[in-house]
Amino acid sequence: AQTVTQSQPEMSVQEAETVTLSCTYDTSESDYYLFWYKQPPSRQMILVIRQEAYKQQNATENRFSVNFQKAAKSFSLKISDSQLGDAAMYFCAYRWRYGNKLVFGAGTILRVKS
Amino acid sequence: DTEVTQTPKHLVMGMTNKKSLKCEQHMGHRAMYWYKQKAKKPPELMFVYSYEKLSINESVPSRFSPECPNSSLLNLHLHALQPEDSALYLCASSQPLRLASTDTQYFGPGTRLTVL
Repeated sequence: AQTVTQSQPEMSVQEAETVTLSCTYDTSESDYYLFWYKQPPSRQMILVIRQEAYKQQNATENRFSVNFQKAAKSFSLKISDSQLGDAAMYFCAYRWRYGNKLVFGAGTILRVKS
Repeated sequence: DTEVTQTPKHLVMGMTNKKSLKCEQHMGHRAMYWYKQKAKKPPELMFVYSYEKLSINESVPSRFSPECPNSSLLNLHLHALQPEDSALYLCASSQPLRLASTDTQYFGPGTRLTVL
């Protein structure tokens, strides 16, 4: 069975600085997708970034980028120039390419200090 | 447009009540999902519909009854719930696997359910 581990229950970052959230996963599959979702206090789950396992290039969306290390089964999220609006719970998630089920990590609460 | 809407936003019900949650999407997606989320926990998958047919039921108690009347709508009928069923119920939609190689799930804002 696939598992996703987020080892940082909480992180803090100063506004305008950079923070990295960690995620590791375990799977025997070679073709899959990885996601970072953000859930602010309003509780809407918002897609931050998506990575396809067969693409070696790390995904980037504006201030958000990932460091995808397939051999190490690691998928960290880097947030640059942190803003107050980035404060949220961040979930890392895995989905096998040919399956419907998202497997979520436990989440990391990110606090942004002004 | 990546919007999934859910109604109501909040629902309070007694253990003997019957109520329904509604989810709607107009993105042309043909897969829809129900999740249950407790505070500070990740969402837990409950049901998946693909092409309006139930494809996954994660051993959910029968007091939760899903329904997919058409490709845009997903309902969750609630009956005889327990206080431990109080949670945020999230709906999501995506393209099913046969149509797209990337089928990101897009989530609605959720319905916060309280069972008294």
